[in-house]
Amino acid sequence: DIQMTQSPSSLSASVGDRVTITCRASQSISSYLNWCQQKPGRAPKVLIYAASSLQSGVPSRFSGSGSGTDFTLTISSLQPEDFATYYCQQSYSNPLTFGGGTKVEIK
Amino acid sequence: EVQLVESGGGLVQPGGSLRLSCAASGFTFTNYAMSWVRQAPGKGLEWVSGISDSGGSTFYADSVKGRFTISRDNSKNTLYLQMNSLRTEDTAVYYCVKASDKWNYENYFDYWGQGTLVTVSS
Repeated sequence: DIQMTQSPSSLSASVGDRVTITCRASQSISSYLNWCQQKPGRAPKVLIYAASSLQSGVPSRFSGSGSGTDFTLTISSLQPEDFATYYCQQSYSNPLTFGGGTKVEIK
Repeated sequence: EVQLVESGGGLVQPGGSLRLSCAASGFTFTNYAMSWVRQAPGKGLEWVSGISDSGGSTFYADSVKGRFTISRDNSKNTLYLQMNSLRTEDTAVYYCVKASDKWNYENYFDYWGQGTLVTVSS
């Protein structure tokens, strides 16, 4: 199974900050990496697919990069509605696997 | 508008069974792969099972293989998860999730239901 490791597991940031979250795969997954956001009590929603493609309707302050084993999600200017937990997920092979999540909290 | 509405969750004793359903609408159900993803209380996301658009191929996490069965009825636009031999560690919110395409590498989860809670406890 492919293990997905996210870092950090949590972070505190202020509105307007640039935030970067890292996801590392235990083996190469090409660009088959997706990012989703989950707010408390809500279902997750996709932000980025195929490592760097922005899902329709998602603000452009979100961006993704990487290929192979190392990937990043960047929020260029953190907004109040962005405080949430973020997960990476690989679609390269079964079983599909998620990272452990990164909780973004208000500083 | 895409809608995924799960049902069938509840309280069940260890060793018991439960069948979850997911009624899909707002898209051509037969054209897309589907999955179940779960989240234990206070924990992260875990993919449980997936099924191809035709239903001919099914996939499982090791943690549920041999105990859970995924299926779909394309005539009823409904996805199912039959859960047998339930364990306390199966306690979670179970989400019905639509894939962006047929089952392939390029898939991602583009729509999620609101989830149904399964509690396994004596």
